[in-house]
Parts: sequence; C-alpha cells; structure tokens
Amino acid sequence: GQQVMQIPQYQHVQEGEDFTTYCNSSTTLSNIQWYKQRPGGHPVFLIQLVKSGEVKKQKRLTFQFGEAKKNSSLHITATQTTDVGTYFCAGDAGGTSYGKLTFGQGTILTVHP
Amino acid sequence: GAGVSQSPSNKVTEKGKDVELRCDPISGHTALYWYRQRLGQGLEFLIYFQGNSAPDKSGLPSDRFSAERTGESVSTLTIQRTQQEDSAVYLCASSLVAGATYEQYFGPGTRLTVT
Repeated sequence: GQQVMQIPQYQHVQEGEDFTTYCNSSTTLSNIQWYKQRPGGHPVFLIQLVKSGEVKKQKRLTFQFGEAKKNSSLHITATQTTDVGTYFCAGDAGGTSYGKLTFGQGTILTVHP
Repeated sequence: GAGVSQSPSNKVTEKGKDVELRCDPISGHTALYWYRQRLGQGLEFLIYFQGNSAPDKSGLPSDRFSAERTGESVSTLTIQRTQQEDSAVYLCASSLVAGATYEQYFGPGTRLTVT
C-alpha cells in the first residue's frame, strides 16, 4: 500500500534558525496536505498543495510540492518558540478511497529560546 | 461554528473490558475518519467513512475493533476485550470531501488507558 515517509523524525533548533521537514511518498499523489500538532493538542490543517511544482507561502512558512508529485517540503524561516510542535504531511493517492489521506510519521520540532 | 467533538475525553478501563468511543463530526461533513496515536508517535489510520459508500476498514488492527456511522452524523468506535497495547489517543476527524479541497478537522481526541 501507499507509504508516506517524513524526515527528520526530530529537529532541535535555536530560535531564529531555519527548519525544514521533508515528505516522500511511494506513489504519485493527487494532493498533499500539511498539519501542525501542538504539544497536547490535535492536528490542525495548515495547507493543501495540488499542482506539480506548486509553492505556497504562509508568512514564515514555505510549502513545496515536487514536480513528480511524490515529495513535498515545509520550510520555516527564522523559527520562533510558537513554532514548536509536530508537523505532519498527509498524501492522497487517489483511487477508490477518494479523500483518504495517508499521514507521515511527523517531524517533532523543538525551538530553544 | 461547532467543531468536531469526541467523548469521553478520557477513559480508563480494565484489560478485557469493552469500550465505546463517540465522535460528533461537523454538520454537513460527508467524510469521517478514525485514527490512533500512541504517545510520541504519528497518526495510525483506522477507518474511513465517506457518504453512503462502504467504509474503508483497511486500518483496523484486529477484529476486536469496529466502527459504525449513522448516516452522515455520529460515529462510534468500539474496542472489544481491550488490551494494554490499545492504550492511546483515538482521534476522529471529519471533512467535506467535495472537489479537490478537503481539509480534515480533528476533534480533541479520547485518551484511552487500559490497566
């Protein structure tokens, strides 16, 4: 079945440093979504990418979808302590279960002030 | 408006007992998902309901797990003869699967502890 891998599993940064997490799928995706889960909270939707090579920005966050639609990345510029949490990518491979997402294992981000 | 709600928020049960977890999705959302999240781990897909289609049960870990959904509303996840390895947070999410955009809205989860 479809697999979505995320790296790194953990990332510790000093406040002000940049952060990137990478997501790779074993199959071509119709779209990819990113979620953030704060410690003790539940995942919250950040963004969805649909088009090959798409790049979207939300303030200090930049999301990219690969040309082959099998990989994606999330880059945070100048991290802040409010960025702490786990970042998940989730891909939809299409097929019979339309709308079903496969989540990556997540990258746990720690920001040291 | 109201988000996804789940009950109970916490459940402690003895090994071997059955438990029922409830999820109230956002009104009008056609899709409903159940996930399991063990401490410090990712989201493990359990089951997916979409409209009137047969549910995708491919993630249920054993026949002790089952779920039902009444139309496009409430869903219950039942775990029979609970085991200690069932201890986890069970998250429910709903989405309006229409067109190309269908973000998932998660509930706060039910923390299940099997003693």
